[in-house]
Amino acid sequence: SQKIEQNSEALNIQEGKTATLTCNYTNYSPAYLQWYRQDPGRGPVFLLLIRENEKEKRKERLKVTFDTTLKQSLFHITASQPADSATYLCALDPPRWAGYSTLTFGKGTMLLVSP
Amino acid sequence: NAGVTQTPKFRVLKTGQSMTLLCAQDMNHEYMYWYRQDPGMGLRLIHYSVGEGTTAKGEVPDGYNVSRLKKQNFLLGLESAAPSQTSVYFCASSSPRAGYLENTEAFFGQGTRLTVV
Repeated sequence: SQKIEQNSEALNIQEGKTATLTCNYTNYSPAYLQWYRQDPGRGPVFLLLIRENEKEKRKERLKVTFDTTLKQSLFHITASQPADSATYLCALDPPRWAGYSTLTFGKGTMLLVSP
Repeated sequence: NAGVTQTPKFRVLKTGQSMTLLCAQDMNHEYMYWYRQDPGMGLRLIHYSVGEGTTAKGEVPDGYNVSRLKKQNFLLGLESAAPSQTSVYFCASSSPRAGYLENTEAFFGQGTRLTVV
């Protein structure tokens, strides 16, 4: 089965710096890799999706990279703000040949941005 | 724009009691899911459905049952609640992957915090 590793330790950074979060997976590469944001007491909210043949995706201050050789995705938030403080989850969408179609989520990494 | 709505938001049960969690979505999504989220464990899939009238087991299905009688609703039942089922439960829905450009992002409800004493 697919396993996902996200850093369990919180990432503390200063406002204005770039936050970089890591998502590593084992076994086969997913068809899609997704990133979600979760605030305390709320459900996860979708941020970005990157496909297996894409190296990089950007949306405003967010950037996601996908390296199938390293089996790794990096999630960057540039010019970080205290409002970016949240837990960020990565999720893998399996390829069609895997025989199932449900997302597998990592445990998430908490980001704390201090003023 | 309601999206995914879960009821109730909070519930306290005594061991052995039963209850049903209701999830409703208004986006005409085919797929619906029930997850539980526990500290240090992340989101774990309980059951899911790929269409009206279908259900399938996820990673942690024991102690739970589900039904999808209508496309917009997905019910999660606990027949005999146990303290180990104390958790936050999330329902989600998504569109199936119809083609390479299909976006399979999941939309989540606000969660149900269940405590079993």
